Amino acid sequence: DQQVKQNSPSLSVQEGRISILNCDYTNSMFDYFLWYKKYPAEGPTFLISISSIKDKNEDGRFTVFLNKSAKHLSLHIVPSQPGDSAVYFCAASARGGSNYKLTFGKGTLLTVNP
Amino acid sequence: KAGVTQTPRYLIKTRGQQVTLSCSPISGHRSVSWYQQTPGQGLQFLFEYFSETQRNKGNFPGRFSGRQFSNSRSEMNVSTLELGDSALYLCASSQGQGAGNTIYFGEGSWLTVV
Repeated sequence: DQQVKQNSPSLSVQEGRISILNCDYTNSMFDYFLWYKKYPAEGPTFLISISSIKDKNEDGRFTVFLNKSAKHLSLHIVPSQPGDSAVYFCAASARGGSNYKLTFGKGTLLTVNP
Repeated sequence: KAGVTQTPRYLIKTRGQQVTLSCSPISGHRSVSWYQQTPGQGLQFLFEYFSETQRNKGNFPGRFSGRQFSNSRSEMNVSTLELGDSALYLCASSQGQGAGNTIYFGEGSWLTVV
């Protein structure tokens, strides 16, 4: 049972345009969400996170939106740059207790074309 | 500030052998977790340690084990290796335990089982 889903395995965008990466989750206990970027042969790099008490968090070119009622979050990258080309993972965790782990989606390969 | 350090970066083992992977967390981080990444399954949680105690474990067989030392450094061990254990093993650390603590990943250890 996949609790975090990234339904688009790949996305291709023109440089300078907006990239929108989507993520859906099924576990209503999730209340902290993170986006990671990963290049081949490297570990994931933390990008941005959002708590369930917010619906938007912004950091430079990266903005994450959370729609709790729809159990959906998205990462917007504006403007997209060729260096943004990587696999993007959405991850979620549940607050509280000692049962802490990140549940990852399968990733979306973003290609930004010059 | 040094990031999460994993050793070795690459290794090749034979079926039936065992392997130990090492992880040094970011200075001051007390929580260490391990993830396995394979092309088919994506990033999957193995286990998490905090203050030398395993706090959470993923759905992996008992051949996968780990430990954490008093200086927060961690090791994971896989015994009786199988071909399917070939993967990128990622160590991650965070300052505290629980959601809201951002997890930072190392570059990973690439294990190939032949």
